[in-house]
Amino acid sequence: SYELTQPPSVSVSPGQTARITCSGDALPKQYAYWYQQKPGQAPVLVIYKDSERPSGIPERFSGSSSGTTVTLTISGVQAEDEADYYCQSADSSGTYPHVVFGGGTKLTVL
Amino acid sequence: QLQLQESGPGLVKPSETLSLTCTVSGGSISSSSYYWGWIRQPPGKGLEWIGSIYYSGSTYYNPSLKSRVTISVDTSKNQFSLKLSSVTAADTAVYYCARHLIAAAATHFDYWGQGTLVTVSS
Repeated sequence: SYELTQPPSVSVSPGQTARITCSGDALPKQYAYWYQQKPGQAPVLVIYKDSERPSGIPERFSGSSSGTTVTLTISGVQAEDEADYYCQSADSSGTYPHVVFGGGTKLTVL
Repeated sequence: QLQLQESGPGLVKPSETLSLTCTVSGGSISSSSYYWGWIRQPPGKGLEWIGSIYYSGSTYYNPSLKSRVTISVDTSKNQFSLKLSSVTAADTAVYYCARHLIAAAATHFDYWGQGTLVTVSS
């Protein structure tokens, strides 16, 4: 089955730049999406279609894509950015796109 | 503002069927642009897509759960529902409902319910 691979954890100091990667063979053919999840809360979409930012999401959140890897970048990390981050894409091999989530990355702000 | 709210029993016995309903408010479930999906998250673990449904009743499921899952829709109530049969402790999770957008090379969830914890235990 199709998988998306993320590092389990990333740590940065406040004000630094955090980069979270997500790798998957189908990423060149399917857009990737990023969700932020804080404890006890539902996920919130922070990046769509690889690099687009929904309204209301701070400009410090950005996304990029290169081959089979997509990257979520958080510039000038703030304490409030500490959360779990999940990438999501799809396996397009069937009639319908089967949704796949990465395993999640815990961002720790030191 | 679109809102989704999950409801259903918080405790289910092993081998029984888990049943949840998602009520959509602030918008119509019959919108032609969207599917409606279920996602779950075991305690301390990651997200897993369960399946999705169109207002017409067209469904598609995660192959790993397909044999046990049924998703249905009631447009008159602006609701859709999940049934998961033969549950075990491994099905203990927070269950989310969400609006599911599907387009060419693009599929994602933009509005989520708050989630409801379902525990499988005797």
